[in-house]
Amino acid sequence: GAVVSQHPSRVICKSGTSVKIECRSLDFQATTMFWYRQFPKQSLMLMATSNEGSKATYEQGVEKDKFLINHASLTLSTLTVTSAHPEDSSFYICSVPFPGFSEAFFGQGTRLTVV
Amino acid sequence: KQEVTQIPAALSVPEGENLVLNCSFTDSAIYNLQWFRQDPGKGLTSLLLIQSSQREQTSGRLNASLDKSSGRSTLYIAASQPGDSATYLCAVPEGAQKLVFGQGTRLTINP
Repeated sequence: GAVVSQHPSRVICKSGTSVKIECRSLDFQATTMFWYRQFPKQSLMLMATSNEGSKATYEQGVEKDKFLINHASLTLSTLTVTSAHPEDSSFYICSVPFPGFSEAFFGQGTRLTVV
Repeated sequence: KQEVTQIPAALSVPEGENLVLNCSFTDSAIYNLQWFRQDPGKGLTSLLLIQSSQREQTSGRLNASLDKSSGRSTLYIAASQPGDSATYLCAVPEGAQKLVFGQGTRLTINP
């Protein structure tokens, strides 16, 4: 069964609005989760590291005020795309690492389309 | 900084053929390497995880090898089937388990 649950799987929003994406770890607690973004025909690029109980760590070039991350509990991280623009349209996917440098499990991904 | 490269970018073969996908990485100090499958518009499915101490891993018709010293991994698919059509990604962890991905190989198996 699924280890990581991500919702919604698909969302269309108007330019200027905000969208929240949830990532839940179903089988184990996760102090760290990762958020990736994938543009069409490109590979996945890490956006930020979500840390339970502290601020997220953002990769270079990712606007922290635009992509708000909240790691509210040991099983839930949320990514909010604020004031979305068409260039934010992308595939967003979260990852939960299994403790101990082992496998990484991924959510189903969220296809965001900003019109 | 770790960089991961996959070749070829795309591959199209007839059903039944055996094939090899390649992955190379620049920093050989890795803990493991993971191969994923991604279907169009979908998330990632983990196929095989090779620990740094291992040389290969097998799952069904899939076999992944790892040569840390040369910075290379291969994914071997035996007796390919149309259902194997997907994009295959390799990834290695950098730092605290965040993954660095290759660009992927888009595989098409023709019936």
